[in-house]
Amino acid sequence: TQLLKQSPQFLSIQEGENLTVYCNSSSVFSSLQWYRQEPGEGPVLLVTVVTGGEVKKLKRLTFQFGDARKDSSLHITAAQTGDTGLYLCAGAIGSNYKLTFGKGTLLTVNP
Amino acid sequence: GAVVSQHPSRVICKSGTSVKIECRSLDFQATTMFWYRQFPKQSLMLMATSNEGSKATYEQGVEKDKFLINHASLTLSTLTVTSAHPEDSSFYICSVTPRQGIVETQYFGPGTRLLVL
Repeated sequence: TQLLKQSPQFLSIQEGENLTVYCNSSSVFSSLQWYRQEPGEGPVLLVTVVTGGEVKKLKRLTFQFGDARKDSSLHITAAQTGDTGLYLCAGAIGSNYKLTFGKGTLLTVNP
Repeated sequence: GAVVSQHPSRVICKSGTSVKIECRSLDFQATTMFWYRQFPKQSLMLMATSNEGSKATYEQGVEKDKFLINHASLTLSTLTVTSAHPEDSSFYICSVTPRQGIVETQYFGPGTRLLVL
């Protein structure tokens, strides 16, 4: 059973387009993180959301945590080729430090 | 700057040999570190939780005698792949959790690419 369902799994768009990646679960998370990973490198933390209904913005990236803390979304405005990469959501249940990862969204932004 | 370092970044070895991978927390002390493996175009799979001063906790299906973990200090954890075989070839990534702040946040190392011939 997949605890965190991430969609879409693959996304190929043109530069300048907008996109949204979703992360959904039936479980309640104490926090949720979004990471971006480039080939051959480790994931880089983009944001951590903790409060239900929270919205965080990081330049062209907008992150939202659902009111019930079961789901999250990542919206990218006016995508650039440099946004290409694997986007991973990861949720924590309780306070045992462990993260559960979604399967990832492989984003390709074409020039 | 980098929060976590890993060494080596890439290793190629013959089948049957053992390989040690180091993970260092550069910015803070980490009582807990995690080891993941990742296959191409797939997500991260947690292998074990490394606890400073105590035994590591392994996830179901991960052989503790094959993947030896030693968390000798608050800044260093090592993963040794013993008697490596081609199926152990993968991308191994460690992460650290700071002792303060949002406890679940993890910072990842750059990863170690292991190729077993």
